[in-house]
Amino acid sequence: DIQMTQSPSSLSASVGDRLTITCQASQGVKNFLNWYQLKPGKAPKLLIYDASNLETGVPSRFSGSGFGTHFTFTISSLQPEDIATYYCQQYHNLPLTFGPGTKVNIK
Amino acid sequence: QLVESGGGVVQPGGSLRLSCIASGITFSNSAMHWVRQAPGKGLEWVAFTHYDGSDKFYADSVKGRFTISRDNSKNALYLEMNSLRPEDTAVYYCAKDGKYRSSWSWFDPWGQGTLVTVSS
Repeated sequence: DIQMTQSPSSLSASVGDRLTITCQASQGVKNFLNWYQLKPGKAPKLLIYDASNLETGVPSRFSGSGFGTHFTFTISSLQPEDIATYYCQQYHNLPLTFGPGTKVNIK
Repeated sequence: QLVESGGGVVQPGGSLRLSCIASGITFSNSAMHWVRQAPGKGLEWVAFTHYDGSDKFYADSVKGRFTISRDNSKNALYLEMNSLRPEDTAVYYCAKDGKYRSSWSWFDPWGQGTLVTVSS
């Protein structure tokens, strides 16, 4: 199985701050890497697919990059509505696997 | 959208059947997944079915106990769960695969989830 790690596990930032989350795969997954946002009581939401493609309707302050084993997810200017937990997910191999998540809070 | 139902409280060793009804999406041309989140834990992919039900795959943690199925005439996805264990306690989400008639890719959209609690 491909193991996914994320860092940090949680972070606190101020409104307007730029923040970056990293995701590492235990083996190369090409660009088969996606990012999701989870808020309590709401359906999870796809933000980025294939490492760097912004899902339709997702604000442009979200972005992703990377290839192989190392990926980054960036929020260019943190907004109050971005309080959530963010997960990366690989689909290079079954089983499909997620990172452990990064919880984002407002300072 | 996707709407799950069928969750509830069940004793260890018991069974439960989850349903997911799709509307407003091209269900019959889309692979579908079940994904779960245990309380306080991260996301875990559970099962996949190809758009026509021809291929099905499972996480090792549920293989042999869970069965994914679909009825394209009803825009419905199911998860039959047998021999349930306390560690199966989770919110179960159904999710559409992101690519047209694909093997597997990303999950979009997701349902709101249904809670399954396995406890005596």
